[in-house]
Amino acid sequence: DVKVTQSSRYLVKRTGEKVFLECVQDMDHENMFWYRQDPGLGLRLIYFSYDVKMKEKGDIPEGYSVSREKKERFSLILESASTNQTSMYLCASTHRGSGANVLTFGAGSRLTVL
Amino acid sequence: KQEVTQIPAALSVPEGENLVLNCSFTDSAIYNLQWFRQDPGKGLTSLLLIQSSQREQTSGRLNASLDKSSGRSTLYIAASQPGDSATYLCAVQGPAGTALIFGKGTTLSVSS
Repeated sequence: DVKVTQSSRYLVKRTGEKVFLECVQDMDHENMFWYRQDPGLGLRLIYFSYDVKMKEKGDIPEGYSVSREKKERFSLILESASTNQTSMYLCASTHRGSGANVLTFGAGSRLTVL
Repeated sequence: KQEVTQIPAALSVPEGENLVLNCSFTDSAIYNLQWFRQDPGKGLTSLLLIQSSQREQTSGRLNASLDKSSGRSTLYIAASQPGDSATYLCAVQGPAGTALIFGKGTTLSVSS
């Protein structure tokens, strides 16, 4: 089975801290995504990547950056965490190209910024 | 811009009932449509994927249909069970390789 692993299930950080959320997939997927999920707003795309060192902004990239130095790893970075970034963060991956490719999600990382 | 809507937002049914969850999208130029299940505090699990050239997909008690021309999909759950209680999300993918756009989900509660 495809596995997408998010390194931290729960994090509590203070305002202004730099936060790293790590995501690793083990099926050689080209495409990787970071979403955040908030009550009433659903899933919103932050950033995605089609390949190593490539990144594209999603709908809400402000306050975030990403890094993809290796194909299997896609990191989300909050340069200076703020309380409005308290949320559930979901990483996902899929193969590129065919319309038959299922999007596979990690278990999520719940971040609280105090 | 593509928008995905799911109605109803919440649904409560007794065990054993057959039910239908609805998903509509504004742009019919989709690559595929996927249905996911999410348990509280967890990630999303893929249930069914329908490619744009297909009309339906089935997995066990689940059947998903797709009508691109009308911008609609339905997820049919037969003989519902308490273990089916979860939030169900649909998502559409535009041109190949673009990110999925999600609806806000329908939260299903099946009582025994």
